[in-house]
Amino acid sequence: AQSVTQPDIHITVSEGASLELRCNYSYGATPYLFWYVQSPGQGLQLLLKYFSGDTLVQGIKGFEAEFKRSQSSFNLRKPSVHWSDAAEYFCAAGGGSQGNLIFGKGTKLSVKP
Amino acid sequence: GAVVSQHPSRVICKSGTSVKIECRSLDFQATTMFWYRQFPKQSLMLMATSNEGSKATYEQGVEKDKFLINHASLTLSTLTVTSAHPEDSSFYICSAEGSSYEQYFGPGTRLTVT
Repeated sequence: AQSVTQPDIHITVSEGASLELRCNYSYGATPYLFWYVQSPGQGLQLLLKYFSGDTLVQGIKGFEAEFKRSQSSFNLRKPSVHWSDAAEYFCAAGGGSQGNLIFGKGTKLSVKP
Repeated sequence: GAVVSQHPSRVICKSGTSVKIECRSLDFQATTMFWYRQFPKQSLMLMATSNEGSKATYEQGVEKDKFLINHASLTLSTLTVTSAHPEDSSFYICSAEGSSYEQYFGPGTRLTVT
């Protein structure tokens, strides 16, 4: 069955520190891959996406993600976290012709001063 | 660009009544829109896929007679929760599919049934 796994439920990092949020997928083929961010009580904002091509994808707000086929991973990174990055982050796979978008359970990011 | 709105943002209704939630793509046309439900501190669960001019496709376990979806135009889809019960209280989020298979999400609607 197709699935998206985010192993970390909650991560706390210090402001200015680097960040990596993990995402693994199980899919029949290489899926479209997405990272979304959700602030409390809000909808989801697309950070970045991977369809094909260059495996290192740049997104908004200084985020990037790297697609690694051998590891079935699409981890999200940011070199220096800001307090405003505190939010819930969702990895998703699929969409469009690949079928419904499948979401991971999310990782809550807390940022300490 | 690619802005999706939802109305209302919050609604409180009494048990047994119906409530309609609107989802609009403001600056693009969307043949396909999606309706999700999100429980507290959980991920999004797809309820149904809404295609303009045709019947919605519901996910397994979602009652189509309870959650009525109408996608009457390329910029508007509505979700009507009929005969609402307290267990229908949730955060409902819609999305609209853009030209590159991206989904653009609305800000969500918090439904509370008393």
